[in-house]
Amino acid sequence: AQSVTQLGSHVSVSEGALVLLRCNYSSSVPPYLFWYVQYPNQGLQLLLKYTTGATLVKGINGFEAEFKKSETSFHLTKPSAHMSDAAEYFCAVRNTGTASKLTFGTGTRLQVTL
Amino acid sequence: GAVVSQHPSWVICKSGTSVKIECRSLDFQATTMFWYRQFPKQSLMLMATSNEGSKATYEQGVEKDKFLINHASLTLSTLTVTSAHPEDSSFYICSARTQNPTYNEQFFGPGTRLTVL
Repeated sequence: AQSVTQLGSHVSVSEGALVLLRCNYSSSVPPYLFWYVQYPNQGLQLLLKYTTGATLVKGINGFEAEFKKSETSFHLTKPSAHMSDAAEYFCAVRNTGTASKLTFGTGTRLQVTL
Repeated sequence: GAVVSQHPSWVICKSGTSVKIECRSLDFQATTMFWYRQFPKQSLMLMATSNEGSKATYEQGVEKDKFLINHASLTLSTLTVTSAHPEDSSFYICSARTQNPTYNEQFFGPGTRLTVL
């Protein structure tokens, strides 16, 4: 079984400040890891993913995440927040089998203030 | 990039009626499609997984007779909410995945907001 824990359902940062959204996972086998962003009344957009290889993954809109196997973490960061980053962010995990399913965390709402 | 569309984007219906939501993969063949339900300020909950030409596999607690899923082609899946009631009001999101090994992620549609009066 696999699970995802996102610490902090709501994170508020000032524009220009560092963004850090936390994600820890539980999986019996090496997983694929994803971060998605959801804007109000919209579907999910993939920010970045880790499958194999380099553990520091760069995504769209200046976001990046680092897979740390020893900590079972996949935290999302962005050096400088922008107002347009305000959205809901979901971490997800999937086992590598083709029949496996995504398991989502409960989400973190990012608020960016002036 | 891979694009998934949903239609309609929003629908309002009366209690007891049925509503059909379409999910299409526009530029790739989706061997597997997923239907999720999302309540306000909550995460996505997987309802069912469908493979083209096969019966859908429903998650525990999801009524298969109420949420009819059809995946008749590699580019189209439909979700029909039968005899809808106000508690079925939610945001429904579909997702599609190909068996192409270079694609490891699912592509999500924009969602359909269903309101049952």
